[in-house]
Amino acid sequence: DQQVKQNSPSLSVQEGRISILNCDYTNSMFDYFLWYKKYPAEGPTFLISISSIKDKNEDGRFTVFLNKSAKHLSLHIVPSQPGDSAVYFCAASAFSSGNTPLVFGKGTRLSVIA
Amino acid sequence: GAVVSQHPSWVICKSGTSVKIECRSLDFQATTMFWYRQFPKQSLMLMATSNEGSKATYEQGVEKDKFLINHASLTLSTLTVTSAHPEDSSFYICSARTSGALYEQYFGPGTRLTVT
Repeated sequence: DQQVKQNSPSLSVQEGRISILNCDYTNSMFDYFLWYKKYPAEGPTFLISISSIKDKNEDGRFTVFLNKSAKHLSLHIVPSQPGDSAVYFCAASAFSSGNTPLVFGKGTRLSVIA
Repeated sequence: GAVVSQHPSWVICKSGTSVKIECRSLDFQATTMFWYRQFPKQSLMLMATSNEGSKATYEQGVEKDKFLINHASLTLSTLTVTSAHPEDSSFYICSARTSGALYEQYFGPGTRLTVT
């Protein structure tokens, strides 16, 4: 049973446009969500996070939206740049339940076309 | 800040030998470290969670006698793949968690293991 789902394995976006990556989760205990970016043969790099007490968090070109009732979050990148091309992983944690590990989705490969 | 290093970055070994991978948090103390494995085009699969000074907790299906994890200090954890076989060839990534409000995990660059 996959608790964190990224249903789109890939996404192509024109440079300068908005990229929207989606993530759904099933575990209602999750209260902290993170997005990671990963290049081939490298470890994931932390991008942005959001606590369940918020519905939006913004950092530069990256904004994460959380819809708790729908158990859905999304990462918006605007404007998209060719250097954003990578695999993006959504991750969730039941932070308030203690020292629980992150649960990752399968990732979405973003290609930003110049 | 929050840098995690892994060594080696890649290793090739013969079937039946053992390989040790080190994971270090360079500028913070990591009370918890995690070991992940990633197959091509797949998600990160958590193998085990290790807390400093205690035995690692392994995920279901991960052989603890094959993947030995030691978390001897707040800045170092090691993963030893014992009696490696070609099917153990994979990309192994460690991450370290900081204590504090955000509990974000920082990842190492990964180790590519190839067993011939």
